[in-house]
Amino acid sequence: DTGVSQNPRHKITKRGQNVTFRCDPISEHNRLYWYRQTLGQGPEFLTYFQNEAQLEKSRLLSDRFSAERPKGSFSTLEIQRTEQGDSAMYLCASGGIYGYTFGSGTRLTVV
Amino acid sequence: DQQVKQNSPSLSVQEGRISILNCDYTNSMFDYFLWYKKYPAEGPTFLISISSIKDKNEDGRFTVFLNKSAKHLSLHIVPSQPGDSAVYFCAASENGGSQGNLIFGKGTKLSVKP
Repeated sequence: DTGVSQNPRHKITKRGQNVTFRCDPISEHNRLYWYRQTLGQGPEFLTYFQNEAQLEKSRLLSDRFSAERPKGSFSTLEIQRTEQGDSAMYLCASGGIYGYTFGSGTRLTVV
Repeated sequence: DQQVKQNSPSLSVQEGRISILNCDYTNSMFDYFLWYKKYPAEGPTFLISISSIKDKNEDGRFTVFLNKSAKHLSLHIVPSQPGDSAVYFCAASENGGSQGNLIFGKGTKLSVKP
């Protein structure tokens, strides 16, 4: 059990560019979550997978955001046409019976 | 509309004393509550949880109390240690702790002074 791994740790991108983040969950966890955290706020739910099925999406997840979890293992979160308001920490968590384990996050800065 | 509220942005306590972090919620459908601790540049780390069928859960120095009628929970840390200095998030769920999404408060920054 190596925990939840997220890559990259940091990403700086120009406004309008597309970015993709990867999350590798704990191997025996079949639930995977994406959250976003901005300064001074708690994590906000974005979306949730049970195996490869995306079961829930927040209204925060605009059309520019897409998440996938092919084969029910790792997951990717893509943001198209980034905006400055997308600057945040993007957190991935995987869930077992007794709750979540979060990764260290990917910090996105849109300049 | 914030469903989980942590009204104290910060708290400072002396090493060895008790730290009490408070959390209020508005959604009566919440049935599972959790506390997470977060250090800078790291993801939140699970601390302790409590189901709505209980009013207290204890794990070492950490105790969570739930008052359903007041829609209030609190985290007690006794004794507080400098390593406890971090941001503490309260979170709640409608689906138990293992499914669905969590609603987080904004966090309370705890500083434990030696």
